[in-house]
Amino acid sequence: SQQGEEDPQALSIQEGENATMNCSYKTSINNLQWYRQNSGRGLVHLILIRSNEREKHSGRLRVTLDTSKKSSSLLITASRAADTASYFCATLYSGGGADGLTFGKGTHLIIQP
Amino acid sequence: EAGVAQSPRYKIIEKRQSVAFWCNPISGHATLYWYQQILGQGPKLLIQFQNNGVVDDSQLPKDRFSAERLKGVDSTLKIQPAKLEDSAVYLCASSFTTSGRADTQYFGPGTRLTVL
Repeated sequence: SQQGEEDPQALSIQEGENATMNCSYKTSINNLQWYRQNSGRGLVHLILIRSNEREKHSGRLRVTLDTSKKSSSLLITASRAADTASYFCATLYSGGGADGLTFGKGTHLIIQP
Repeated sequence: EAGVAQSPRYKIIEKRQSVAFWCNPISGHATLYWYQQILGQGPKLLIQFQNNGVVDDSQLPKDRFSAERLKGVDSTLKIQPAKLEDSAVYLCASSFTTSGRADTQYFGPGTRLTVL
């Protein structure tokens, strides 16, 4: 079953605007990761935030994590056409030794020129 | 650094046939994963290997799916016999495990399976 739920399911914005995607999850986590998937391509890792971190930056990306609300957000600033893709959050469960990620259904982002 | 390699990239078979996918992880990565991604959904973990041992296969449909990583490097995933609902992209990923937990997972391009 999918643990994460991304919101919104689809988002269309103009180039240069900021895009914000949200993710909610259900269990306690070790870390949360965001991935991007372009049409016909594999998943590309964007950023990892650990359960004891609240905010992380990487280039034009900003991720926040609120473990009390079991939620995370991904902000892409100054969007570009190349940012058009599906974005997935994935969680690593804090218990046990298994390290498989649990993915949400994704947010499909379209950047219009 | 070479990424995760997978083959074939595409496969079309008829239901009840068999199919096998191959994965070569990033050099030095001890942990290897197989995920299934059905159209419109996020990937779902099928099996995780640590070296040549299985760590988690709780979501692998063992009546028809099997996977192995005999020498702790390459891995194969097999479906026998295939069903229509197995149509999906099969993604292989690998990670470098430190301090007992794996971190970033690096994904291959996937194999798109169509079962007719």
